[in-house]
Amino acid sequence: GAGVSQTPSNKVTEKGKYVELRCDPISGHTALYWYRQSLGQGPEFLIYFQGTGAADDSGLPNDRFFAVRPEGSVSTLKIQRTERGDSAVYLCASSLGVQGSETQYFGPGTRLLVL
Amino acid sequence: KQEVTQIPAALSVPEGENLVLNCSFTDSAIYNLQWFRQDPGKGLTSLLLIQSSQREQTSGRLNASLDKSSGRSTLYIAASQPGDSATYLCALITQGGSEKLVFGKGTKLTVNP
Repeated sequence: GAGVSQTPSNKVTEKGKYVELRCDPISGHTALYWYRQSLGQGPEFLIYFQGTGAADDSGLPNDRFFAVRPEGSVSTLKIQRTERGDSAVYLCASSLGVQGSETQYFGPGTRLLVL
Repeated sequence: KQEVTQIPAALSVPEGENLVLNCSFTDSAIYNLQWFRQDPGKGLTSLLLIQSSQREQTSGRLNASLDKSSGRSTLYIAASQPGDSATYLCALITQGGSEKLVFGKGTKLTVNP
């Protein structure tokens, strides 16, 4: 596709459940990023992949959050034992991966609501 | 720790007015700075990217400037239109390893017809 895509666009779940959020980056982009945006705030960094490996996961809030990118393309963000405070928009972005010089292109986001 | 501040938080102007949005940051050791636009319920659209070695970038009615020494960037919008109404976010990558963007909270712009 032409841009970054994310599925599902909306997800409603109950507290304590497990959820998976998917990101398809722009073809050929080696770098992939996950951010989380709460209402009225700017996006906050979660994790960054360069290829298949997590180059920086310092933004993951706790061990309930985990992300993978097994083949260096599609990535899945996994949240275990969801809590109401996890409700937010989860944004994915990708870039060519040249250090510090490339535009990050964002997907439309997944709106997660934990009841 | 890098902190990004955007002032004002909200701005309302009449159509046709020229306007400036401000972004300040605490650590001047940056790789680049990006300005994004976000429409309600949507993702982010990149408007302009300024490399640390550059002073400004222009695209159509938009001009972004960067002054690393003072820790400031501005986004100038000429001849504003109602379609410019959106939230504008400033974000940057700090030197030192990670490619993560650090965002401000944004300025919500309303252009009134």
